[in-house]
Amino acid sequence: SQQGEEDPQALSIQEGENATMNCSYKTSINNLQWYRQNSGRGLVHLILIRSNEREKHSGRLRVTLDTSKKSSSLLITASRAADTASYFCATRNTGFQKLVFGTGTRLLVSP
Amino acid sequence: GAVVSQHPSWVICKSGTSVKIECRSLDFQATTMFWYRQFPKQSLMLMATSNEGSKATYEQGVEKDKFLINHASLTLSTLTVTSAHPEDSSFYICSAPGQGTQNTEAFFGQGTRLTVV
Repeated sequence: SQQGEEDPQALSIQEGENATMNCSYKTSINNLQWYRQNSGRGLVHLILIRSNEREKHSGRLRVTLDTSKKSSSLLITASRAADTASYFCATRNTGFQKLVFGTGTRLLVSP
Repeated sequence: GAVVSQHPSWVICKSGTSVKIECRSLDFQATTMFWYRQFPKQSLMLMATSNEGSKATYEQGVEKDKFLINHASLTLSTLTVTSAHPEDSSFYICSAPGQGTQNTEAFFGQGTRLTVV
């Protein structure tokens, strides 16, 4: 399977703490994206990092990419209860439009 | 941002019947759309790529005669689950790639929860 792996599968933290999720993938990529999914809903795009980038920030989000290790991490700082959701990484291979999703991390932020 | 609308958001049908799910790009044209399937607490698995004006491309293991895809216009793709069975119960999501280069996000529909009884 081409699907990437994410860890942890589930993460439970308190409000104000930071949450880190990791993603590993298998093939060469054009870019890697992170998405958020609330229970039973569609996906919302969070951030995209290109293969020639190593780090990117967007608000409370920080994404890193290590193409030599074929891995990425998503850091959510100062988490809030509203951040409770599932988070997926997705890779786009060069020359293809389709996205291949990781296994996902379920994040629970308690007030 | 671009909007993809998926309908219905949920449907319950009897075994043996067919169900059609629509995916529309509301403010842009999409020559390609993607259909995903998601089981509870699992990730999205790509089922097929819908191509406007030509046949869909199915992923390995996906039955093309069971999951019929039609991309009749630049703003509409449909997925029909034929002769549905309880094991087809799942969450189906469509998406359309962003316009321009490959370094753009994808836009997702709200998803359709299918329950076959």
